[in-house]
Amino acid sequence: DSGVTQTPKHLITATGQRVTLRCSPRSGDLSVYWYQQSLDQGLQFLIQYYNGEERAKGNILERFSAQQFPDLHSELNLSSLELGDSALYFCASSVAGVEVNEQFFGPGTRLTVL
Amino acid sequence: EDQVTQSPEALRLQEGESSSLNCSYTVSGLRGLFWYRQDPGKGPEFLFTLYSAGEEKEKERLKATLTKKESFLHITAPKPEDSATYLCAVRVNTGFQKLVFGTGTRLLVSP
Repeated sequence: DSGVTQTPKHLITATGQRVTLRCSPRSGDLSVYWYQQSLDQGLQFLIQYYNGEERAKGNILERFSAQQFPDLHSELNLSSLELGDSALYFCASSVAGVEVNEQFFGPGTRLTVL
Repeated sequence: EDQVTQSPEALRLQEGESSSLNCSYTVSGLRGLFWYRQDPGKGPEFLFTLYSAGEEKEKERLKATLTKKESFLHITAPKPEDSATYLCAVRVNTGFQKLVFGTGTRLLVSP
C-alpha cells in the first residue's frame, strides 16, 4: 500500500459526459501528479500540482483540468468525454516540488467511455 | 524528442532462470532513471533510482545498473511472485521536470 488513495476505482460513462476523479496523496507529500495509461501509449504525464499551485503541464487535453485543494487532495476533471479517453488514470505523490524524485502511485481509476 | 525504449516487450522465464531487462533512452540531459514494478490492475510500485553511469542498486533478486545510454534490470533466480510488468522512466527537464516512461516489459515466471 503506497498510502495514495484514489476514488472511484471504476467509472463507466457515456460520450459527451463529464467526470471527476479524486486523489489523496501520502501524508506529508506536497506534490500530486496525474497520469493516463492506455494499452498502446503507456504512462503519459498529464499535470503536476505542488502545494495547491500548478507546477508542470504535460500532455493534458484542453477538455481536462485539475486542481489541488488546501488539504492537498486533488481532483482531475474530464469533460466532453470521447471513446479514446477510456484508460487507467493514476495519481502519484511525492515530497518534492521542482525536483521530480520518487513518486508513489495510487491504485488508479479505470475509466470506460461507452 | 525524449524517448525510452524497453526490451523485450514480454519475457517468459522458468523459476530460477536468471535474465535481464533492457531500458534504452535518448534524452537531452538525463537527470535520473527510475524502475517501477506494476502488477495487473494496480499502480506502479517504486523500485530504484539511478543517477549516474556506473551506479548500481540492489533489492532482493533485482539489481539495476546504468550506463550512459541504457539501464538493465537483472533478475537473479526469479520466483513466480516476480511476475509483473517492469517500467523504466527517465527524468527530463523541458522547462519543467517530468518522468518519461517506457511501455514496459511483461515478465512471467513459471514454477
